[in-house]
Formats: sequence, structure tokens, C-alpha cells
Amino acid sequence: SQTIHQWPATLVQPVGSPLSLECTVEGTSNPNLYWYRQAAGRGLQLLFYSVGIGQISSEVPQNLSASRPQDRQFILSSKKLLLSDSGFYLCAWTGYGSTDTQYFGPGTRLTVL
Amino acid sequence: GQQVMQIPQYQHVQEGEDFTTYCNSSTTLSNIQWYKQRPGGHPVFLIQLVKSGEVKKQKRLTFQFGEAKKNSSLHITATQTTDVGTYFCAGPRTGNQFYFGTGTSLTVIP
Repeated sequence: SQTIHQWPATLVQPVGSPLSLECTVEGTSNPNLYWYRQAAGRGLQLLFYSVGIGQISSEVPQNLSASRPQDRQFILSSKKLLLSDSGFYLCAWTGYGSTDTQYFGPGTRLTVL
Repeated sequence: GQQVMQIPQYQHVQEGEDFTTYCNSSTTLSNIQWYKQRPGGHPVFLIQLVKSGEVKKQKRLTFQFGEAKKNSSLHITATQTTDVGTYFCAGPRTGNQFYFGTGTSLTVIP
């Protein structure tokens, strides 16, 4: 069966510090991968998605970036965090080319102070 | 651009009362999915509807896809405290992406 992992689960970082969040998927090949951000009590904002290794599409221009160094690994990064980067970061996957079910990871709760 | 709106944004019900959330898209959707997010948790897939006018049931939950495939509803009969959470609808868009609705937060008062 397929599983999706995210770490860390929680993170408190000072403004201006770097960020690296990791997401890995097991039990499937060539998944579409997604990064979402959710502000407290709000909906899901798509940040990045990827349909293959090294292929990244950005939805919202900001100080975040994403990379996909391996088929089932998706990384969200920032060189300098802003207060507005605080939120709940969710990684998700679907089957390659699929617009069916999205499977979400447990998320990383980021607080920037 | 396309939007997917949900109403209401918040709903408080007494335990045992029914609950309905509505999802409306500005364009036709090939399918619609519903997700539930418990407080502090991540969205979990509930169901997918594909056909025009389709109705599916999961125990006390009834899902409906509109005839024009632009709207959908989720109805919960006799809510329980375990139903607490935010319910999102979602539909596919071009480029393997998804439109997520704005969500309905359900509070069940025991």
C-alpha cells in the first residue's frame, strides 16, 4: 500500500532563517506531487506541483521554492523565512496523470517568530 | 478564473441534527471529490462523484453531484461528535491540479 511521509511534524523558526521540509511517498511510481499551505482556519493554497523528477510548477510567486530530486521525494525550501510563511504545510500525491483522489501527508506545522 | 465556493463557511449544530454543505463551481467539473479534515489533522479523502446527478451514500453521509456537474452537496444525517471537522470539495483543473473549495467547518455541540 502507498504511504506518504512528511517531516518535521512541527517547526518553530526565526524570521530570516532557512527552511527545508521533506515529503516522501512509498508504494507508487511516477506520482504527481503537490505542496499546499493552509493558514489557520482557512482553505488550501496550492504552492507547487510536480509531474516528474526536476519538473516544478509554481502557483504563487513568493520566497519559497520546491525541488524534486528523486521520483518520490518532494522538498519545500526557503532561503529566508517571513512571518507570513507561518502555516500548515501539506504534501499530497496522486497517480501519474490522474485527477482522482489526492492523498495527503500528515503535514508540517510551521511557526515563524 | 475558475472558482469553487462552499457554503456555509461555518456551521454549528446540536448533536443529532442534520448538516448540509454545498459546493458550487463556476465551470463544469469532470468529477468532484470530498475530503474531511479533523481539527489539527490533514485532509482525508471521503468520496469521488463522476456522473451527472450521481448520489452516493456512506452510512450517514449522502453525497450528490448536480445534473450540470457544477455543484455538489454533502448531507450528514443525525450528526455525531465524531463528525466535527472541515469538509472540503475539490475538482480537477488543467495541468493535473485541483480546485479546492473554501471549506465548511462543522462544530457539533453535544
